[in-house]
Amino acid sequence: KNEVEQSPQNLTAQEGEFITINCSYSVGISALHWLQQHPGGGIVSLFMLSSGKKKHGRLIATINIQEKHSSLHITASHPRDSAVYICAVRFWGAQKLVFGQGTRLTINP
Amino acid sequence: DGGITQSPKYLFRKEGQNVTLSCEQNLNHDAMYWYRQDPGQGLRLIYYSQIVNDFQKGDIAEGYSVSREKKESFPLTVTSAQKNPTAFYLCASSLRSVGEWFNQPQHFGDGTRLSIL
Repeated sequence: KNEVEQSPQNLTAQEGEFITINCSYSVGISALHWLQQHPGGGIVSLFMLSSGKKKHGRLIATINIQEKHSSLHITASHPRDSAVYICAVRFWGAQKLVFGQGTRLTINP
Repeated sequence: DGGITQSPKYLFRKEGQNVTLSCEQNLNHDAMYWYRQDPGQGLRLIYYSQIVNDFQKGDIAEGYSVSREKKESFPLTVTSAQKNPTAFYLCASSLRSVGEWFNQPQHFGDGTRLSIL
């Protein structure tokens, strides 16, 4: 079964801490997306990757194809990073994205 | 600025009533999607369209209908046949790459929250 699991489900940290959110999937994929959902509900696409590592500002996304695992890191976290982070994958041969349940991140000042 | 506009932000449906959610994009994207989000669950695909006048069912199409008469617009109708319509609905769009179009980044609207009266 094609599944996507995120961990942790909830994460609370202090401002400035290094944050890691994990995403594991069951079978081979052609692409993995990281998305950010703001408290109002709107979603922003952060990264799309199929191998290696991507960086944008304080955000870093990595993927290990052999281990079927991706991580999203946030350096020097800030309260404005508080949001739900969602991992989504396109499994090989599939015509849609499968979404994880999301990780709710809260950064306290 | 280019983007996706969903309206209304909040919508209430009476029993037996059909309601239509609007989604408009000015990104010149060929592909458009409708997702449903329920608490504690990942987004689920309702319908998607790769090109004008063409659309396909997603995982949970029952009780919903769509049209794609214009490139910019992809309205979703929640019919009375959808017995549990209360959810958050998100519209998205992306560039279309033949054979790999789900590998393009998707741009999302701000969503419509639908509730039952």
